Formats: sequence, structure tokens, C-alpha cells
Amino acid sequence: ELKVEQNPLFLSMQEGKNYTIYCNYSTTSDRLYWYRQDPGKSLESLFVLLSNGAVKQEGRLMASLDTKARLSTLHITAAVHDLSATYFCAVDMSEGGSNYKLTFGKGTLLTVNP
Amino acid sequence: NAGVMQNPRHLVRRRGQEARLRCSPVKGHSHVYWYRQLPEEGLKFMVYLQKENIIDESGMPKERFSAEFPKEGPSILRIQQVVRGDSAAYFCASSLQGFETQYFGPGTRLLVL
Repeated sequence: ELKVEQNPLFLSMQEGKNYTIYCNYSTTSDRLYWYRQDPGKSLESLFVLLSNGAVKQEGRLMASLDTKARLSTLHITAAVHDLSATYFCAVDMSEGGSNYKLTFGKGTLLTVNP
Repeated sequence: NAGVMQNPRHLVRRRGQEARLRCSPVKGHSHVYWYRQLPEEGLKFMVYLQKENIIDESGMPKERFSAEFPKEGPSILRIQQVVRGDSAAYFCASSLQGFETQYFGPGTRLLVL
């Protein structure tokens, strides 16, 4: 069974600081997603990482993928309050390249304090 | 530019009742997915449907749960004879093609008393 582990599960940080969220997964996959969820809202797609060494950046967030280590990171630079949310990584576990069956980590609840 | 719509947003049922959860995909999307999030857990895949077809239901419990996506109207996730362990958030997602990014709805929080 595919397992996806995120850490930390809870992250409280001050504005202006940097931090990294880690996502480890237990089986081979070449497609990894990061989503953001605000309380009571839907999941918003942030990044899709499709190959080993992929790096994507949007604003203060940067995601990377190392398929050999089965590790993805979401790096937060100079955090601001608006980044407070729960962040999920999800790994595709479909067979045959169908790419639809996502397995999610438990999520990282990020709180950015002034 | 409506996204994925789910209703109801909150649903309370007593043990033994039926729960019906509805999902309207993004306009033009014909691929729908249902996920369940138990307390303190990540989302887990339940079922993948295209119009009028179930493509993969490997994540669905064998009993009491069913899903459909008719030619007209929303996708429905149906839970018969609910038990307390069914209490969870149920998310629906849709995509234009089966391998493309999934867009999620806000979820339905089901509470079984």
C-alpha cells in the first residue's frame, strides 16, 4: 500500500522566516502534487511535479521533487500571514500511467504569526 | 467560472439512514473522482467515474457505498445504512481528461449520530 508521509504536521512560524515542508512516499511515482486548503474551502492546486529534479516556484513557495529519494519539499520563503493554510502533498498511484488515483499525506497545518 | 460544486456542505444522519452526496463538476469536465478524509487522516481515493461509467472503484468499501455519474445531472455518492465510522469529509474532484490536474470541491462533512 502506498504511504505518503508529511512532516511536520503542524508548523507555526513568524512572518519573514523560511521553512520547508517534507513529503516522503513509499513507492515509485513520477507525478506529485501540492495542494493548499483554507478552512472550509476546497483544495487548490499549487504545483504538479512530473519528473526527477523538477522545481517549480510561485511567489514565496517553491516545490521540488527527487524521485530517487521519493521525496518532495515545499519551501516557504519570507512567510506572510496569507500563507496560513493546510498544505497537502499527493502522489499518483495509478497503474499504467493513468494518473488519476491520488494518495494524500495528512497535511501540514501552517500558521504564520505576525 | 464555477468550480466544482458539492452539496450539501454539511449533512447529519442517524445510524441506519441513507446519505446522498452530490457533486457537480467543472463545466465541461467529464471525469469525476470521490475522496474521503477521515479525522486526522489524508484524503483517500474512493472511486473514479466518467459519464455513465465507473472506471475504478477500488477505494470504495464493498458494502453500503455506491456512486454514479449519470448522463445528465450531478455525480452522486450514496451511503446506505450509515454507521458512525462513516463520519468524514467527502471530497469530489473533476478533470477535463483522466490524466490532468484534478480540481476539488469544498467537500461535504458527514456526521453520523
